[in-house]
Order: sequence, then structure tokens, then C-alpha cells
Amino acid sequence: AQRVTQPEKLLSVFKGAPVELKCNYSYSGSPELFWYVQYSRQRLQLLLRHISRESIKGFTADLNKGETSFHLKKPFAQEEDSAMYYCALPKSEKLVFGKGTKLTVNP
Amino acid sequence: ETGVTQSPTHLIKTRGQQVTLRCSSQSGHNTVSWYQQALGQGPQFIFQYYREEENGRGNFPPRFSGLQFPNYSSELNVNALELDDSALYLCASSLGGHTEAFFGQGTRLTVV
Repeated sequence: AQRVTQPEKLLSVFKGAPVELKCNYSYSGSPELFWYVQYSRQRLQLLLRHISRESIKGFTADLNKGETSFHLKKPFAQEEDSAMYYCALPKSEKLVFGKGTKLTVNP
Repeated sequence: ETGVTQSPTHLIKTRGQQVTLRCSSQSGHNTVSWYQQALGQGPQFIFQYYREEENGRGNFPPRFSGLQFPNYSSELNVNALELDDSALYLCASSLGGHTEAFFGQGTRLTVV
């Protein structure tokens, strides 16, 4: 069964430090993966998808099929990056979400 | 271009009652998906409507039902409410089922 695991419920870093939010998936075939973000009092929004291979707000994510991972990285975290982050896997008509990681960037 | 809007934003119901949640899709979108997000969990897929027809359903009982109207807005109905139905209900619209989904702000349902 397709499944997305985000092992860290909470992640706290200091401003300017590197950050990595982990995502592991189980999927048979070539997956397409997304990262969604939800800032405080805002709606869930797409941050990036692996097929676009672009950097959004300084974040990148690389699909590692060998390790079945799609970790989200940013070299220098900013306070405005504090939010809930969800990794998601499309399966047919739906998105399968992980449980999310709450990132807090301290000043 | 208007985004996805949901109403109401908050709702309190009593166990056993029925509730209807509403969603207006983003302009030009013909697909609406509903998700339930319990506290501390990621969103869970309930069902999707494409051109007024149900186009997939998650692991939710039949008392969760929906509709999509000709203008592509949608309703989620839940009968015989249970305490565990307390959650944030999210609506997402897209153009077809495999394009980027845009989410509404959600309806917070509390069942007491």
C-alpha cells in the first residue's frame, strides 16, 4: 500500500541553520511526490513537487529511489519558514499525506 | 480569479445530528476533493467529485456523502455524527484529478 512517513513530529532550529525535514514513502513504481506547507492561519498550499526540480523559497527536495526518501532541505532557515510541512504522494485521484512535521525556526 | 472558499469556518454539532459543509471551487476548476484532518494528523482523503460524479472514495463510511453541482461547487454531508468526526474538513479543487490541488481554509467541526 502507498504510504508516506514523516518521522519527526516537531523540528526546531535556529535562524541561519540548515534544516532537513524527512519524508519516506512506500510505492511500487515511479512515484510523484509533493511537499505542502501550512503557515499559521493560512491554508494548505503546494510548496514544491519533485518533477519540477525547482527551488522554492530556498527549499529543495531530491527524490532518492534507493532510500525511498524525499527529504526537504534548506541551507539557511528563516523565521518565516516556521510552519507545518506535509509530504504527499498522489495515488489515483487522491493525495496520500504524511502526518506532518512542525518546523519552528528560532531567532 | 477567486480561490477555494469553504463555509462555515467553524461549526459545533451534537452527536447524532447531521451536518452539511460547503465548498466553492476555484474559477475554472471542475474537480473537488474532500479531506478530513484530525488533530495531529495529515489530511485523509474522503472522496472526489469530477463533473458532478463521484470519482473515488477513501475509507469512510456511507454516512459521509457528497454532491457536486453544475457550477462545480460541492457539499459534504455527514449523518449520525460521532465524536470522532470532530476534525478540520478541507476542500481542494483542481482542473482534472491529476493537476495541482488548491485548498480552502477548511471548516472546523466539533461534535459534542
